[in-house]
Amino acid sequence: GAVVSQHPSRVICKSGTSVKIECRSLDFQATTMFWYRQFPKQSLMLMATSNEGSKATYEQGVEKDKFLINHASLTLSTLTVTSAHPEDSSFYICSAATSGSTKNIQYFGAGTRLSVL
Amino acid sequence: EDKVVQSPLSLVVHEGDTVTLNCSYEVTNFRSLLWYKQEKKAPTFLFMLTSSGIEKKSGRLSSILDKKELSSILNITATQTGDSAIYLCAVEGYFGNEKLTFGTGTRLTIIP
Repeated sequence: GAVVSQHPSRVICKSGTSVKIECRSLDFQATTMFWYRQFPKQSLMLMATSNEGSKATYEQGVEKDKFLINHASLTLSTLTVTSAHPEDSSFYICSAATSGSTKNIQYFGAGTRLSVL
Repeated sequence: EDKVVQSPLSLVVHEGDTVTLNCSYEVTNFRSLLWYKQEKKAPTFLFMLTSSGIEKKSGRLSSILDKKELSSILNITATQTGDSAIYLCAVEGYFGNEKLTFGTGTRLTIIP
């Protein structure tokens, strides 16, 4: 149980284009999903918290107009990197938290490696 | 600002050895501490600790929390090559939004 699927696993795009990353909870309903960014040899840095049916909460320093988050249902959240630039190249990873007694356990997707040329 | 520090940053041992990984934290209104194993991509959940002094165990892995010392350890006995991974420690402060603060991880390498 508690499987999170993230797609695509890798994307290469040209500078200026937009990239959408999907995060799905496959066997549970996720009231809250999280988006992280991970640079090489560094830890996971929380970008934003996404709650179903409401606006995402962004961490300090994260541009909400650049990283658009949509949590349309209890099983799907999307992150769109708009007008991507080479400095946006990174490993993006999502997680989902359940709504039951173990609600503070986050289950992670496999991540998306974004390379912007 | 919440802070999580893990040590050592990296560790190389031989198969069969026992290892202890450390995690210390500073967090406002501590709620829980979690350990994850990250091999290639997705971190996989290992333990969640909320109470001091109660050991959580899963096979060769065990973990315990010390709220007085603001720390936790993760033990792995009789290590195997499959234990090679980055072990992440994360803490949650009780703000009601389930936000986790991660440490930089300990990279564990098991030599056959």
